[in-house]
Amino acid sequence: ETGVTQTPRHLVMGMTNKKSLKCEQHLGHNAMYWYKQSAKKPLELMFVYSLEERVENNSVPSRFSPECPNSSHLFLHLHTLQPEDSALYLCASSQGRGRIPSTDTQYFGPGTRLTVL
Amino acid sequence: AQSVTQLDSHVSVSEGTPVLLRCNYSSSYSPSLFWYVQHPNKGLQLLLKYTSAATLVKGINGFEAEFKKSETSFHLTKPSAHMSDAAEYFCVVSDPNTGNQFYFGTGTSLTVIP
Repeated sequence: ETGVTQTPRHLVMGMTNKKSLKCEQHLGHNAMYWYKQSAKKPLELMFVYSLEERVENNSVPSRFSPECPNSSHLFLHLHTLQPEDSALYLCASSQGRGRIPSTDTQYFGPGTRLTVL
Repeated sequence: AQSVTQLDSHVSVSEGTPVLLRCNYSSSYSPSLFWYVQHPNKGLQLLLKYTSAATLVKGINGFEAEFKKSETSFHLTKPSAHMSDAAEYFCVVSDPNTGNQFYFGTGTSLTVIP
């Protein structure tokens, strides 16, 4: 599990707050992902970065803003969230050999449990 | 379109008895298929994956899965359940025709009874 780390592990925020989630991978991978995991629903892919370039957006609301400064770090900036945004946010990484990620195995971090009041 | 159906949202077995977690998929091409496990308050861990090699795939912790194209299934099995197997299990399909995006099933919660 130390291959992909996420901080913080738990976050409680009000709807007017601004916060950021951080993900770091120590596996030398080129692709990184943000997923949202809500109760009783499939994991939802939010963003994909491959070689530090965003390749998938999946129509995520603009109150979620990703940032990938290098291939090892990925951030998710949060502002003016809604209570329905409360969920477990998972980061993952994979080898990736180009702009479009391959079917390589994705390695997941432990997640950030977000609660929006 | 790609989709994954995990037929059981919850499975309960006694310790030492076999485990069967069912997964059916739809894909327009030869997909890659994965099973991940998620223990409470942990991230997802890869159990095994199929990528058009041998149809019977062996994974970690004694799990295995068989790819059956005619049945579009990729069921996960284990001969003898252990208490530590209690977790949430996710079946995943990835299709190169759709940019290799991962499509997750809704998960199956496995309970192991002592």
